[in-house]
Amino acid sequence: GAVVSQHPSWVICKSGTSVKIECRSLDFQATTMFWYRQFPKQSLMLMATSNEGSKATYEQGVEKDKFLINHASLTLSTLTVTSAHPEDSSFYICSAPDRGQGTYEQYFGPGTRLTVT
Amino acid sequence: GENVEQHPSTLSVQEGDSAVIKCTYSDSASNYFPWYKQELGKGPQLIIDIRSNVGEKKDQRIAVTLNKTAKHFSLHITETQPEDSAVYFCAASKGRDDKIIFGKGTRLHILP
Repeated sequence: GAVVSQHPSWVICKSGTSVKIECRSLDFQATTMFWYRQFPKQSLMLMATSNEGSKATYEQGVEKDKFLINHASLTLSTLTVTSAHPEDSSFYICSAPDRGQGTYEQYFGPGTRLTVT
Repeated sequence: GENVEQHPSTLSVQEGDSAVIKCTYSDSASNYFPWYKQELGKGPQLIIDIRSNVGEKKDQRIAVTLNKTAKHFSLHITETQPEDSAVYFCAASKGRDDKIIFGKGTRLHILP
């Protein structure tokens, strides 16, 4: 099946710094990718929809200037958390549908654990 | 927007017994209902899914039922095993490229 990878798998950064998380579709092209955030013992909450070659669409309540999304190629989307604060510490997960499969299934990455100190 | 409700939040069943998790959705335009299993520190793993043109789907010990009229769908796990212990999420989507909205999750404990 299709594979989505994320890098890094975990990252620790200091408050006020920025951190970039990559999401890659390894064996398919993804014109659309989705970014989720998951706090401990909670569900996955959609943050934004990343569209190749155009601006991302953010969910209500998500600060687009704080969570910068770039989808510059058909296999890579990046999420940059700018001026990170401890409350941004979370598990960030991306997903992407594979249109070539002809199914509705989306493929999820393994997640990136962000800890802001 | 779409809202997915999931019950129960925690479920403990004896090994070998069945487990049932129930969900409801609010948007009648939703037509794809996946179920995910998530283990600690990992991304969600699709275990079964159903589309709105089907009422029931089964894969070995796992089955899902969908009632479009009532906007209900359920996950059934039979002959539960210790490795079934995990968090399970139901979800809904309106299309192949559409966002997936998750329920709050059910923590399933399989008791020895």
